[in-house]
Amino acid sequence: GQQVMQIPQYQHVQEGEDFTTYCNSSTTLSNIQWYKQRPGGHPVFLIQLVKSGEVKKQKRLTFQFGEAKKNSSLHITATQTTDVGTYFCAGRVSGTYKYIFGTGTRLKVLA
Amino acid sequence: DVKVTQSSRYLVKRTGEKVFLECVQDMDHENMFWYRQDPGLGLRLIYFSYDVKMKEKGDIPEGYSVSREKKERFSLILESASTNQTSMYLCASSTRSRGDFSYDYGYTFGSGTRLTVV
Repeated sequence: GQQVMQIPQYQHVQEGEDFTTYCNSSTTLSNIQWYKQRPGGHPVFLIQLVKSGEVKKQKRLTFQFGEAKKNSSLHITATQTTDVGTYFCAGRVSGTYKYIFGTGTRLKVLA
Repeated sequence: DVKVTQSSRYLVKRTGEKVFLECVQDMDHENMFWYRQDPGLGLRLIYFSYDVKMKEKGDIPEGYSVSREKKERFSLILESASTNQTSMYLCASSTRSRGDFSYDYGYTFGSGTRLTVV
């Protein structure tokens, strides 16, 4: 079946350091979304990427969609304690409204 | 803001009980989903629905069923609860995209129900 893998599973960084999580799909995706889940909370939609090679920025967050539409990354510049949480990617299965979620990357930021 | 409301935040049930998890959304979304979340496994899709009275199996439907009699409500049913169904259950809704998916606004999740089966 279709799978979306995310690495790393965990990441601890010092406040101010950069952080990147990678998302890889076994099949081509129609589009990809990113979500953030704070500890004890529920996933919250961050952004969607649709086009091959697309890059989007939200303040210190940079999202990329690979040329082959099989991988994506989220990069956070100069992490802050408010960035703590688990980041999920979710790829849309072609021809459906169904998204396959990645396993998530849990980020801890040490002050 | 879209709100997705799950009826219980915490639930403890006994093995063999029939369990109902309720989810209601207030923004007229066509699509509704049930996921379970377990450490190290991410979010796994149990069932989803594109319309009233319509349902489709997700990746792990065994031991579960669903009901969508009204557009705003999507219920998850554990026919006979077992300890391996102890998990966080998340309901989500989304609006239907306009074909090219560029208008897909993403899922809105409920706060989750943490179910413990003893």
